[in-house]
Amino acid sequence: QSVLTQTPSASGTPGQRVILSCSGGRSNIGRNTVNWYQQLPGTAPKLLIHTTDQRPSGVPDRFSGSKSGTSGSLVISGLQSEDEADYYCAAWDDSLNGVIFGGGTKLTVL
Amino acid sequence: EVHLVESGGALVKPGGSLRLSCAASGFVFTEAWMSWVRQPPGKGLEWVGRIKRESHGGTTDYAAAVKGRFTISRDDSANTLYLQLDNLKPEDTAVYYCTSLVALRFPASWGQGTLVTVSS
Repeated sequence: QSVLTQTPSASGTPGQRVILSCSGGRSNIGRNTVNWYQQLPGTAPKLLIHTTDQRPSGVPDRFSGSKSGTSGSLVISGLQSEDEADYYCAAWDDSLNGVIFGGGTKLTVL
Repeated sequence: EVHLVESGGALVKPGGSLRLSCAASGFVFTEAWMSWVRQPPGKGLEWVGRIKRESHGGTTDYAAAVKGRFTISRDDSANTLYLQLDNLKPEDTAVYYCTSLVALRFPASWGQGTLVTVSS
């Protein structure tokens, strides 16, 4: 069971705005930044958002991140078919002294 | 461009040992903090641990599930990261990824992974 909680599945249609959530606690998201990873089928994960709202070079600006209290969110604006993937949130946990991941959300583009 | 290539994955019996390697290129390896992350087949991601750059002490941190059994090390002269896996258990079966870090904590660039299977 993951310390960070994500909805197991989500879906949307092309062009739609989708919000994926990640719920944590005071020792992780409450005190530290949230990060998001995209894993396309059969490939290694890719860093999508770091430090809550920063996009690495090459990540489209339709991906954005935010945090409120002990929860983080990943917003995908203008959903595209190639966005169909598993999405994982991650945060540092001060109690565990390590990185924790959410269980992942499988996003389906209808 | 950061390039990470893992190797060494294999089928091993419970209680056995294995050493994984990660060849790094495209960045200044001596300045990088590095980590290992694993993913059991069909499941989510699990952080294994990290190692600091030598000038920051070269110390390591581990997840509770592997502490005392796994050891992360580095050879800066060879631009290579290692993961020594001892006393392996079936639940250690996973694809193991080598990663560079962003903000000293979070996986940034990832290798393609290497599969470790622990089974009798």
